[in-house]
Amino acid sequence: DQQVKQNSPSLSVQEGRISILNCDYTNSMFDYFLWYKKYPAEGPTFLISISSIKDKNEDGRFTVFLNKSAKHLSLHIVPSQPGDSAVYFCAAGGETSGSRLTFGEGTQLTVNP
Amino acid sequence: DTGVSQNPRHKITKRGQNVTFRCDPISEHNRLYWYRQTLGQGPEFLTYFQNEAQLEKSRLLSDRFSAERPKGSFSTLEIQRTEQGDSAMYLCASSPDTFYGYTFGSGTRLTVV
Repeated sequence: DQQVKQNSPSLSVQEGRISILNCDYTNSMFDYFLWYKKYPAEGPTFLISISSIKDKNEDGRFTVFLNKSAKHLSLHIVPSQPGDSAVYFCAAGGETSGSRLTFGEGTQLTVNP
Repeated sequence: DTGVSQNPRHKITKRGQNVTFRCDPISEHNRLYWYRQTLGQGPEFLTYFQNEAQLEKSRLLSDRFSAERPKGSFSTLEIQRTEQGDSAMYLCASSPDTFYGYTFGSGTRLTVV
């Protein structure tokens, strides 16, 4: 049972344009959501999070949007930079799942100069 | 303290052998997690410690797997009688009590031949 899904294995965008990464979830008990970025040979790095009581959280070039009714969240990166090229994972957690996070499969973002 | 440290970075072992991995979390973090990641998948939860107490274990953690955090500081993950299906990246992460954005280590890549 894949409770967190990232349906796009890869995304390619031009430098300076917007990157939009999507994530869907099925468990309505999730109450916080996070995005991680992973470079090769490194562990995932926390990027940005959002609580279920909000629908938007912004941090510099990164904005996460949450649509609870659709059980969908997205990460917007604008403007995209070549250094943003990495695998992006969305993750979700909640009080009923203790401290564990459930991760999606990841999306490989490539930002072309 | 520069982050979460995992050793070794790579481990190649023959099927049937036992292996042990070590994780040194960020010193002020009370929570420590082990995750496993296989190719093309996101990290999957294995187990979680609050200080020295192991509070949660995934069903993925068969009886061949054991984890300890004897003094609430570093942790070890041991796999007995390794199988080829155990080949994966084993990730350790830590966090303070009230923040869900884990800090991951760079992982230990296990290859069972």
